[in-house]
Amino acid sequence: KQEVTQIPAALSVPEGENLVLNCSFTDSAIYNLQWFRQDPGKGLTSLLLIQSSQREQTSGRLNASLDKSSGRSTLYIAASQPGDSATYLCAVTFSNYQLIWGAGTKLIIKP
Amino acid sequence: KAGVTQTPRYLIKTRGQQVTLSCSPISGHRSVSWYQQTPGQGLQFLFEYFSETQRNKGNFPGRFSGRQFSNSRSEMNVSTLELGDSALYLCASSLDGPQTTNTEAFFGQGTRLTVV
Repeated sequence: KQEVTQIPAALSVPEGENLVLNCSFTDSAIYNLQWFRQDPGKGLTSLLLIQSSQREQTSGRLNASLDKSSGRSTLYIAASQPGDSATYLCAVTFSNYQLIWGAGTKLIIKP
Repeated sequence: KAGVTQTPRYLIKTRGQQVTLSCSPISGHRSVSWYQQTPGQGLQFLFEYFSETQRNKGNFPGRFSGRQFSNSRSEMNVSTLELGDSALYLCASSLDGPQTTNTEAFFGQGTRLTVV
């Protein structure tokens, strides 16, 4: 069964710290992996899309890595800010065209 | 460039009724996908439409259906509503589709459906 797991479920860190969110998936045959953020009561905002042939993508203070062989992706956030507080979701498109979502990591950045 | 627009934003229905939700994708995007998000189950894929055809379907009962029009706008219909259908319904559009390579999905704000 194809599954996507995000650990931890919640994370609280002081402002300014660097942090890493984890996403693991059970099948290495994937098309792509996408990281999103969701603010309370709102839709999802795409952060980074990593193609199956790529190992990482960067956007500003965000860096996402992909290791297909181990079934893992990490989202690195540098110099965290209170505005980064949100739920971060990982979504994997597997090669059988199934799109599976992780349950998300709720991130709180304390001023 | 306008984003993905979902209407209505909020909806309250009673059990047994039916409901229709609407999604207007980003101009030029041909793929529209629908998701259900609940606290207990997280985000779950409902179905995807591309060029007016349902291309992929998740594991939801037949009470959940959808369609896509020639202008790529999509509607989702839920019949015989149950309390468990209360959720945030999200729509995403992309140039091609999430089930193909390298296509980024853009989401709407969602429609929050409450069934009482």
